[in-house]
Amino acid sequence: GNSVTQMEGPVTLSEEAFLTINCTYTATGYPSLFWYVQYPGEGLQLLLKATKADDKGSNKGFEATYRKETTSFHLEKGSVQVSDSAVYFCALRPNQAGTALIFGKGTTLSVSS
Amino acid sequence: GAVVSQHPSRVICKSGTSVKIECRSLDFQATTMFWYRQFPKQSLMLMATSNEGSKATYEQGVEKDKFLINHASLTLSTLTVTSAHPEDSSFYICSASLPSSGELFFGEGSRLTVL
Repeated sequence: GNSVTQMEGPVTLSEEAFLTINCTYTATGYPSLFWYVQYPGEGLQLLLKATKADDKGSNKGFEATYRKETTSFHLEKGSVQVSDSAVYFCALRPNQAGTALIFGKGTTLSVSS
Repeated sequence: GAVVSQHPSRVICKSGTSVKIECRSLDFQATTMFWYRQFPKQSLMLMATSNEGSKATYEQGVEKDKFLINHASLTLSTLTVTSAHPEDSSFYICSASLPSSGELFFGEGSRLTVL
C-alpha cells in the first residue's frame, strides 16, 4: 500500500541553521509528493509540491526534490528563522483523480533566536 | 487561494451526546471533500471521502454509523459524531478538492473534547 515515513521530531535549531527533514515514501505508480506546514493554531497550508521524478518544489526558501530512485522527498532550508517554527507534514497523493492525501506523522520544528 | 472553513473550531460535549462539525468551501464548489482525524503527535488519518449527492466512502476501521458524513451541497460537508465518548476526543480536519486543478485545501480543524 501507500505510506509516508518522516523523521521523528522535535527538531530544535538555532536561527540561521540548516534544516533537513527526511521523508521517504512507499507507493505504487507515480504519486505526487507534498510538504504541508501547520503553524500553531492554524490549519494545514501547502508549502511545496512535486508531481514527477526529479522535480524540485520550492517556496519561502524551502525546497525538496522528488527522488524516485531513493523514494524520498527530503525538505531542506538553508537558513531557518524563528517564524519557521511549526509542524511539517510530508504527504503523497496517488496518481488517481479524486484521491485523498496520505500523510506522514509530522515533524515539529522549533527555531530559537 | 481557495478557502475552506470549519466550524466550530473547538467543541466540548458530554459523553453520549452528538456533535456536528461543518466544513465549507467558501469560494469554490467542491464535489469531493475528505475528513481526517489527527491524534496527538500522530499523522492525519483519513476517515472518509465525501462526494456531493452520494454516500460517503469510509476507510477501513472507521464506524460509519458513529461518524455520519453528509455532503448535501457543493459547498458544505458535515461530520456528525454520534453518541460521543471520551475516546472520540480528537482533532478533526476536512479538506476540499478544487475541481479545476484537483489541489486540496484544508480547513482550520475542529478540536472535539468529550467529557
